[in-house]
Amino acid sequence: QQQVKQSPQSLIVQKGGISIINCAYENTAFDYFPWYQQFPGKGPALLIAIRPDVSEKKEGRFTISFNKSAKQFSLHIMDSQPGDSATYFCAASIMEYGNKLVFGAGTILRVKS
Amino acid sequence: KAGVTQTPRYLIKTRGQQVTLSCSPISGHRSVSWYQQTPGQGLQFLFEYFSETQRNKGNFPGRFSGRQFSNSRSEMNVSTLELGDSALYLCASSMERDRGLEDTQYFGPGTRLTVL
Repeated sequence: QQQVKQSPQSLIVQKGGISIINCAYENTAFDYFPWYQQFPGKGPALLIAIRPDVSEKKEGRFTISFNKSAKQFSLHIMDSQPGDSATYFCAASIMEYGNKLVFGAGTILRVKS
Repeated sequence: KAGVTQTPRYLIKTRGQQVTLSCSPISGHRSVSWYQQTPGQGLQFLFEYFSETQRNKGNFPGRFSGRQFSNSRSEMNVSTLELGDSALYLCASSMERDRGLEDTQYFGPGTRLTVL
């Protein structure tokens, strides 16, 4: 019940295209869903996060869509750029219990110029 | 503001040895969490410390332990190292304004541990 399943494992997108990464969870107690971006040799960095009372959140070219009934959420990267090439992780946590993040397996994104 | 710092950045040990990794959180941050990152298992939560107390613990054997000091700096220790402990160990800190509110975790660059 603690798992977060992420797909696809890898993704190749043309410059200017839309990158879409999907995640699904089982534990309905999760109430915080962040996305992290990680470049080689670096630690993950928070990209955008959403609470389950919101169906969509947009920050610049990055949008999270959240479907509470389906227990799914996704990251959309609009106008994808070569600089977006990185590994993306979705995660989930129960805020009342502190900062224990359960991560998806990660998606390696490559944006071709 | 300086980010999360971790020392050392790289470490090579042999099986059976023990190792201590250090993490200095962002100034003012009171919560420190540790994660293990491997190609096979991905990012897995080890434990979280807040105000020098362990608040959360992941599913790792007792060989993995940690502590937090009064200045919020944290250390994690792995005893009796096994080959499978080879991983990137990441530390993350957060401000913890209030329980139940969003609390962004900021990750350090990690310590790459290789066990031979």
